[in-house]
Amino acid sequence: TQLLEQSPQFLSIQEGENLTVYCNSSSVFSSLQWYRQEPGEGPVLLVTVVTGGEVKKLKRLTFQFGDARKDSSLHITAAQPGDTGLYLCAGPTTGNQFYFGTGTSLTVIP
Amino acid sequence: DTGVSQDPRHKITKRGQNVTFRCDPISEHNRLYWYRQTLGQGPEFLTYFQNEAQLEKSRLLSDRFSAERPKGSFSTLEIQRTEQGDSAMYLCASSLGGGGYTFGSGTRLTVV
Repeated sequence: TQLLEQSPQFLSIQEGENLTVYCNSSSVFSSLQWYRQEPGEGPVLLVTVVTGGEVKKLKRLTFQFGDARKDSSLHITAAQPGDTGLYLCAGPTTGNQFYFGTGTSLTVIP
Repeated sequence: DTGVSQDPRHKITKRGQNVTFRCDPISEHNRLYWYRQTLGQGPEFLTYFQNEAQLEKSRLLSDRFSAERPKGSFSTLEIQRTEQGDSAMYLCASSLGGGGYTFGSGTRLTVV
């Protein structure tokens, strides 16, 4: 089983602060995806990273895929209350589906 | 197309009853997935369809669970003889090929 461990599990910060969340595995993935999930809703795809060392930016969010394709990070600059949610990373399995990490629950306090 | 629709949004049922959930994927998407998510956890894979063929099933999908996608469009997930451990959010997702998922809003099942 390919495990994706996310850290921290919970994060509570003040509006305007920066933060980084991590997604780590002992396995190599061909790609990794990041989703954000709000309470009572399904996850929404934010980005897919496919190349080792790749960096993608989505406004205040910066995603990085590790050189060895075993880990990824999500950095948020100047967090806003609207960033509150559960951040999930997911990687493809040997089958035709994605394995999800346990998530990082982020709360941004106004 | 308004995305992936799931019905109902919430279901409360007594232990031992049968329940059925429906998912309408994005019409152009040939792949449809069912996941289950419990509080504080990431989604866990249950089963996957490509068009009308059910190609993969997780060992989480006990014999009380059955899923269908009869015409390669909408899908249903039935749970027979529900147990309290079945309480969870059931998520449906669709994709075109192996691309990223578009999830529905989920069905929250509570077994009392």
